[in-house]
This record gives sequence, C-alpha cells and structure tokens, in this order.
Amino acid sequence: AAGVIQSPRHLIKEKRETATLKCYPIPRHDTVYWYQQGPGQDPQFLISFYEKMQSDKGSIPDRFSAQQFSDYHSELNMSSLELGDSALYFCASSLGGGGPGGEQYFGPGTRLTVT
Amino acid sequence: DAKTTQPNSMESNEEEPVHLPCNHSTISGTDYIHWYRQLPSQGPEYVIHGLTSNVNNRMASLAIAEDRKSSTLILHRATLRDAAVYYCILNTGTASKLTFGTGTRLQVTL
Repeated sequence: AAGVIQSPRHLIKEKRETATLKCYPIPRHDTVYWYQQGPGQDPQFLISFYEKMQSDKGSIPDRFSAQQFSDYHSELNMSSLELGDSALYFCASSLGGGGPGGEQYFGPGTRLTVT
Repeated sequence: DAKTTQPNSMESNEEEPVHLPCNHSTISGTDYIHWYRQLPSQGPEYVIHGLTSNVNNRMASLAIAEDRKSSTLILHRATLRDAAVYYCILNTGTASKLTFGTGTRLQVTL
C-alpha cells in the first residue's frame, strides 16, 4: 500500500538559510499534519491542513510557514534557520479531517541538520 | 488537553504477552484513546484506538476500563520487532493533532 512520502530525507543547511520540506500524503487523504522531533524528544505538533485550509496550529515558530496545495501535497518552509531547528520533521496524513476517531499515517521523516 | 500517564519503560521476553498500561483519569466523554508506537529511526505508527469498548486488530488489542480512566494495550506475542516507544494519546474534542507524551519504551529480549 502507498505510504506518506517525504522529501528530502536528509537536509543540511547553515544558520540563517532557508529550507523547504515536502510531503505527499497517501492517495485520497485530504489532511496533512507536520510534527517536529528534536534529539531525544517526543514528536511535537506544528501545524495541520484539511482541504487546503489550515485546520490547527501548534508551537510553530513564526519563521516557519506551510501550505497545502490542490493535489493535497504540503510544503513546510523554514527561514532564518537556527541551530535549534535541527530535528526530524514528520508529516502525517489522514482522511476526512482527522478528528478524534481518525488515525494518522506518518512518513519516514526528513532529518534537518543546521550547522 | 487531557493528560495520560505511562510507565517510562517495560521489558518483555519474546513470544510472551505484553500489557502496556495507561492512566487517563481526566478523560472526557468524547475523547478517543489512541495508541501509536515509534520504532527506532522511524516515524510514529498507528496501532489502535477506541472509545468505550475493547478493540482488536491485527497488531494488538485495546482494553478500556469501564470508567474509561485507564486502558491497556495488549501485544499478544511480543517479538523483537515490537521494541519501540509506545504512546497513549487522548484525541480531545474535534482537534486533530496528536499530543505525544513521554510514552513507554518497550524492550523485548530473547
């Protein structure tokens, strides 16, 4: 079965640079979520989109922005990168807006290293 | 968001059943109980979820207490591939985000 695709899998950037992470949800899934997992930490929710509209927002820095496109893929744009942004970034997808009964399917993650 | 409490770590022998407990004493009537796991170097993986009744799927069983203040994830026969961090998460109201706590790190030994 098709899974969530994330690209790139690894990314190395320098401080103050920008980065764009891409997420391709499972076919027919209309909801995308972004999570950040720092070294030794648990995943933290950043932002989600349902039918191309932002549906929920967590502790996402103002330097980060995201959107969902007409084909439901999503991009997380990160500017003025800081050392503390080094983390694994996971994308997840679900069908029908998620909600309390809806399971989320996670991608393999993008490992961002800021030097 | 309602909180969950899980033991930091548990150990099991291979091919034995494993019972992973979770306390959620402040759960509300509309909260679903979700379980996810994260294997080393991988993204979180959905395991199972339920509302009031016990649930079974190919991966595990979920036993929910009658007062819903606790639940137990049951792996019927643990394998080495089940070694992971297991997260018990309450999905509150209509919010779709998952709030991960510290989870239980399960070690499986031969």
